[in-house]
Amino acid sequence: DTGVSQDPRHKITKRGQNVTFRCDPISEHNRLYWYRQTLGQGPEFLTYFQNEAQLEKSRLLSDRFSAERPKGSFSTLEIQRTEQGDSAMYLCASSLGTASEAFFGQGTRLTVV
Amino acid sequence: DAKTTQPPSMDCAEGRAANLPCNHSTISGNEYVYWYRQIHSQGPQYIIHGLKNNETNEMASLIITEDRKSSTLILPHATLRDTAVYYCIVRVVVANFGNEKLTFGTGTRLTIIP
Repeated sequence: DTGVSQDPRHKITKRGQNVTFRCDPISEHNRLYWYRQTLGQGPEFLTYFQNEAQLEKSRLLSDRFSAERPKGSFSTLEIQRTEQGDSAMYLCASSLGTASEAFFGQGTRLTVV
Repeated sequence: DAKTTQPPSMDCAEGRAANLPCNHSTISGNEYVYWYRQIHSQGPQYIIHGLKNNETNEMASLIITEDRKSSTLILPHATLRDTAVYYCIVRVVVANFGNEKLTFGTGTRLTIIP
């Protein structure tokens, strides 16, 4: 499969725990994006990388959230001290060029109990 | 990016053309119209985009009015697999840097009826 891969697909965690998600973009795509989607809403932009540089962050990305793309390939999104409001689908996308024709992964569904 | 307005839901009979409208009355001259769809439990999928002229690809056609204040996405022969939420997005495209976020609204939930 040469698409965007996200792991895990589902994660249930207790409030206060830390979680980390991984995204493997399409090979050679230099841009990588993270979005969050809650039920009934469209995806909301969180952050964007060009190669290993994190170039833009939404104000939705609180201090408890951190994203990395250490070698310009895969990326991780960590949420510390999870809260029930963090329950959502976390989507990763990658593109070669602009965001407009980005390819999205299937997402990681996080449930905080 | 300009704001868009879409109906919350639509139904279409299988095999018929599905016409999904989008209003973007505040669109600027350098903003493109993009359409994505999101099938249940999957990430959004790019469909088509255009600036002024009508566009067609293997998935759909995009009709943009002459004043560019609205557009219609047409799925010519809808199948059950076209059941999804369809998002219309208007944005400036910067070739190398900037404006890298896609701003999704709540979209139109299209249901194809057998």
